[in-house]
Amino acid sequence: DIQMTQSPSSLSASVGDRVTITCQASQDVSIYLNWFQQRPGKAPKLLIYAASNLESGVPSRFSGSGSGTYFTFTISSLQPEDIGTYYCQHYDPYPPHFGPGTTVDLK
Amino acid sequence: QVQLVQSEAEVKKPGASLKVSCKASGYTFNTYGITWVRQAPGQGLEWMGWISAYNGDTDYARKFQGRVTMTTDTSTTTAYMELRSLRSDDTAVYYCARARLGINDYWGQGTLVTVSS
Repeated sequence: DIQMTQSPSSLSASVGDRVTITCQASQDVSIYLNWFQQRPGKAPKLLIYAASNLESGVPSRFSGSGSGTYFTFTISSLQPEDIGTYYCQHYDPYPPHFGPGTTVDLK
Repeated sequence: QVQLVQSEAEVKKPGASLKVSCKASGYTFNTYGITWVRQAPGQGLEWMGWISAYNGDTDYARKFQGRVTMTTDTSTTTAYMELRSLRSDDTAVYYCARARLGINDYWGQGTLVTVSS
């Protein structure tokens, strides 16, 4: 199975800051990589699919890039409602695996 | 609008079985699959498996093979996940999510399952 790692495991940032999270796969996953946001007590929400595609209805301050084994996720200007945990997930080849998550909170 | 509504929280004893339901609405059920994901308290997300609502094909995570069965009922647009021989470490929130080409775009609200004697 492919293993996913994320960095950092947690971060604190101020409103308006640019936030970047990285995700690495143990093998090449091409662009088959999603990013999810999970607010406390809520279900995960799809933000980015296929590495760089913004899901419909998701604010444009969220973006993703990368391919192969290295991916980045960026919030261009952190907002209070962005607090939560962010997970990357590869989905091809099977089986899919999630990264361990990055918790984002306000400084 | 697309909705996935899951069954209510349950408490189970070790060794028992669990069956969580996921009622889908707002889209053509048999043109998507359903993925099941769980999250133990304070932990990350764990992919359990997937079922095609078109033909019932399944793909289970190796960890759960032999202990999990995923099914769908197209007449009621409901997906089910059954987990047998429950242990305390099966205590988790179980989520269903709509799936197409590996992308889970809509999620249920989650079902808390507590396994305790």
